[in-house]
Amino acid sequence: DAGVTQSPTHLIKTRGQQVTLRCSPKSGHDTVSWYQQALGQGPQFIFQYYEEEERQRGNFPDRFSGHQFPNYSSELNVNALLLGDSALYLCASSLARNQETQYFGPGTRLLVL
Amino acid sequence: GESVGLHLPTLSVQEGDNSIINCAYSNSASDYFIWYKQESGKGPQFIIDIRSNMDKRQGQRVTVLLNKTVKHLSLQIAATQPGDSAVYFCAEGILNDKLIFGTGTRLQVFP
Repeated sequence: DAGVTQSPTHLIKTRGQQVTLRCSPKSGHDTVSWYQQALGQGPQFIFQYYEEEERQRGNFPDRFSGHQFPNYSSELNVNALLLGDSALYLCASSLARNQETQYFGPGTRLLVL
Repeated sequence: GESVGLHLPTLSVQEGDNSIINCAYSNSASDYFIWYKQESGKGPQFIIDIRSNMDKRQGQRVTVLLNKTVKHLSLQIAATQPGDSAVYFCAEGILNDKLIFGTGTRLQVFP
């Protein structure tokens, strides 16, 4: 039973570029949440997807967008990258009826130069 | 409010001792609280959770205590082992709403 997987593991981009990060949820899970974790800080909620729609959103600008596919996998897109977007991006999956139990993937480390 | 920690507090304990990691949460309306362990290069790993209508919950070698009066949460790890070395985060949640993480505490276990 595969857990949450994310790709790529590491990524280097330059300011102004766009990036797409991918997440496959734990088998059987239907809800995907994305978090941004800056160095030395706790994860901060970006948004959550369920039934291919954004269900909740944190305090992040519209440059951050996402998508969920029929197989429950998800993408996080960030446009017009800023230096401050450098962080570990975590994906967590859960069941809609049990959102308290979220399983996290290993994350994608994004460096913006 | 949101997690705003700038410096990571560190707790150093000797192998075999008990560890207590503390967390102050912000929202008195939170329905549940979770402790996560995050090892270097990995995502947060669920340790234990507690509902707001409880004040104590025990797991294997871990105990979580909740004091709603002062909005304080603690994680006790019995007989701390080198494998317990990691950063520990508390998180608070409201049902059908987002999870808010605390600033984290680094636990270092020395022989």
